[in-house]
Amino acid sequence: NAGVTQTPKFRILKIGQSMTLQCTQDMNHNYMYWYRQDPGMGLKLIYYSVGAGITDKGEVPNGYNVSRSTTEDFPLRLELAAPSQTSVYFCASSYNGEDDGYTFGSGTRLTVV
Amino acid sequence: QQQVKQSPQSLIVQKGGISIINCAYENTAFDYFPWYQQFPGKGPALLIAIRPDVSEKKEGRFTISFNKSAKQFSLHIMDSQPGDSATYFCAASRGAGTALIFGKGTTLSVSS
Repeated sequence: NAGVTQTPKFRILKIGQSMTLQCTQDMNHNYMYWYRQDPGMGLKLIYYSVGAGITDKGEVPNGYNVSRSTTEDFPLRLELAAPSQTSVYFCASSYNGEDDGYTFGSGTRLTVV
Repeated sequence: QQQVKQSPQSLIVQKGGISIINCAYENTAFDYFPWYQQFPGKGPALLIAIRPDVSEKKEGRFTISFNKSAKQFSLHIMDSQPGDSATYFCAASRGAGTALIFGKGTTLSVSS
């Protein structure tokens, strides 16, 4: 099993550009999440999904969009990139949302210049 | 508003010592409290978790202590080893249909 796969691993964007961070899991997990990690700030929830076709906002959704058309994929879209979106982005998935824990991807390091 | 407050921000412990990391929460609707471990360049991984109906849970050298009345929980790492050097995050959630809220993290360095 590959687990949770995130692409790309690194990306440099110019201010105002857009991009999609890809996330796919092969564990048939119902729940998927996007977090961003900034130094000393922990992990902040951007969006999450409890199943295909269902998404919900987290703590810091502004400037981002998501979709969940399949169980496997949960892409994160950045529109009009800003320097404040410079961060490491982690995608995670979970079978039941709690006791089995979250499986995290290896992250995407994004720099907006 | 920080829903899960974690301390200290960094911690240095000698090999063989006890590492203690503390977390506090405000929302009494939280009913699941995990700890995650993260090594540089990797995503976090579940270490140990507890629910409010028990006061302590132990797995190997790792123990969670939970104080429901004080709304606090802590991670104890016994006989700390250099391989335990990592960033540790506490977290909390309100149920399976919600998502984990993480603390800011504690960077642990175990010196040999």
